[in-house]
Amino acid sequence: KQEVTQIPAALSVPEGENLVLNCSFTDSAIYNLQWFRQDPGKGLTSLLLIQSSQREQTSGRLNASLDKSSGRSTLYIAASQPGDSATYLCAAYNQGGKLIFGQGTELSVKP
Amino acid sequence: NAGVTQTPKFQVLKTGQSMTLQCAQDMNHNSMYWYRQDPGMGLRLIYYSASEGTTDKGEVPNGYNVSRLNKREFSLRLESAAPSQTSVYFCASGARALEAFFGQGTRLTVV
Repeated sequence: KQEVTQIPAALSVPEGENLVLNCSFTDSAIYNLQWFRQDPGKGLTSLLLIQSSQREQTSGRLNASLDKSSGRSTLYIAASQPGDSATYLCAAYNQGGKLIFGQGTELSVKP
Repeated sequence: NAGVTQTPKFQVLKTGQSMTLQCAQDMNHNSMYWYRQDPGMGLRLIYYSASEGTTDKGEVPNGYNVSRLNKREFSLRLESAAPSQTSVYFCASGARALEAFFGQGTRLTVV
């Protein structure tokens, strides 16, 4: 059974810092991995999808990496801004196509 | 382009009542998902549909039924609502194991 864990559960940083959010999964036979952002009371917005054959993906100030052998993914946010404050969720696709989520990291970027 | 549309956005039910949450997508995706989100629990998969006419249980299927009668629509039914089913429900769609897109959610309260 695939389990996805995100550490830390909450993170507070000053504006301008570079930061890393961590995601680990128990079954290395994942197909793909996706990172999402969720603002309070809102739905999920897709940030990055890393396919199983890739090691990383970049979009603007965001960079996500995937290491299937160690069961880990990281989301790197460069030069953080108050507008980055949100909950960040990672989710792993298993071979059957199901998408399993971690519990999320709540990020607060202080001006 | 509407993406993933969920109805209703809010609902209050009495214990024992039944209701159906509707979800429709216009992106011609094969895969569709139903999740519930509770505080501190992340998103938990209720049911998954890989294609029209097929459904598969997720992590928390008890108390729910689903129907995928066509490619566009995936409905979630609560036959006899219980207070434990108070939650925010999200529907999502995607090409198989590729980027998933989420609706804005249905906030359900069972009293």
